[in-house]
Amino acid sequence: AQTVTQSQPEMSVQEAETVTLSCTYDTSESDYYLFWYKQPPSRQMILVIRQEAYKQQNATENRFSVNFQKAAKSFSLKISDSQLGDAAMYFCAYRLKYSGGGADGLTFGKGTHLIIQP
Amino acid sequence: SQTIHQWPATLVQPVGSPLSLECTVEGTSNPNLYWYRQAAGRGLQLLFYSVGIGQISSEVPQNLSASRPQDRQFILSSKKLLLSDSGFYLCAWSRGQGVLKELFFGEGSRLTVL
Repeated sequence: AQTVTQSQPEMSVQEAETVTLSCTYDTSESDYYLFWYKQPPSRQMILVIRQEAYKQQNATENRFSVNFQKAAKSFSLKISDSQLGDAAMYFCAYRLKYSGGGADGLTFGKGTHLIIQP
Repeated sequence: SQTIHQWPATLVQPVGSPLSLECTVEGTSNPNLYWYRQAAGRGLQLLFYSVGIGQISSEVPQNLSASRPQDRQFILSSKKLLLSDSGFYLCAWSRGQGVLKELFFGEGSRLTVL
């Protein structure tokens, strides 16, 4: 079974600075996706960034980038130039790339609460 | 474009009362549909998923049930709520075939059982 671990329950960063959120996962599969989701106080889960396991290049979306280390099974999220609107719970998630006949939903970590200090 | 809606957004129910949370998806066909629960201070737990009309799979034994009466409608129900059913419930959809990619989530429903 796949597991996702986020070892930082809470992180704090000054506005405009950079913060890195950690995530490790365990799987025996070779073809999968990794995601970072953001859950602001409104509680809706919003996709931040997606990484395909077979792509060596780290994904980037504006101020958000990942450091994907497949051999180490590590998938960290870097947020540059932090803004007050970045304050939220951040969840790391794993999913197989292809359907195995079941629903193959996401496996989530327990989340990291990111606080932005003005 | 695809959208997903769930309601009600907030619900306060007494122990032993019934429950019905509804989720609908627009702009896509034959999606996979999911119900997740998020308890306070915890991650997301997959409760049910569906790959087609009338096809429901349960991930954990519980007091809840799910139904999919139409292709883009997913309902979470209970005949008698327990205190432990309190939490934040999220409906989600994804493509049903081929490369799966991400799940798209609804706005969530907060259930408080008193």
